[in-house]
Amino acid sequence: SQQGEEDPQALSIQEGENATMNCSYKTSINNLQWYRQNSGRGLVHLILIRSNEREKHSGRLRVTLDTSKKSSSLLITASRAADTASYFCATDVDGTASKLTFGTGTRLQVTL
Amino acid sequence: DAGVTQSPTHLIKTRGQQVTLRCSPKSGHDTVSWYQQALGQGPQFIFQYYEEEERQRGNFPDRFSGHQFPNYSSELNVNALLLGDSALYLCASTPGGGPRYEQYFGPGTRLTVT
Repeated sequence: SQQGEEDPQALSIQEGENATMNCSYKTSINNLQWYRQNSGRGLVHLILIRSNEREKHSGRLRVTLDTSKKSSSLLITASRAADTASYFCATDVDGTASKLTFGTGTRLQVTL
Repeated sequence: DAGVTQSPTHLIKTRGQQVTLRCSPKSGHDTVSWYQQALGQGPQFIFQYYEEEERQRGNFPDRFSGHQFPNYSSELNVNALLLGDSALYLCASTPGGGPRYEQYFGPGTRLTVT
């Protein structure tokens, strides 16, 4: 079963705009990770945030984590057409990446 | 350095048949996990292999079984295929030694059961 949900399910923006997607989860975690998937192929790891961190940046990505609300958000700034993909959050309960539990995903479409 | 590879890319099977999917982990990785991703859904964890043994298992029936070889490559076997087994099957590997936080995914095998 899925750990939680992401919203929105789908997001369409124009190139240059920012994209924000949210993830909610159900259990205590060691860390939360975000992955990108292009056209139903393999997933690519984007960023990891540990349970004792509140915010993390990587290039045009900004991730926040609120463990009290069991939620996270991913912000992509200055989006590009190449950012068009599905984005998934994944929770790691014990910090060993033994059993990642993925959300339902947000499908992002960036148009020119 | 080759990443995670999977074969075949696509596969069509009939209900009741058996299927074997294969995965070679990224160089230096010793742990392999398998996920099932139904259309429009997130991946769901099937099981993980480490040192040739199943270390963790998700909520999947015994029809799903696996194996890991001494060279760390892995197979996923599904018996008595059902229409609902149609999905993208993803293999992911994790680095050996030290903290192992992220997983490296292969391109997947698209299985269609008719």
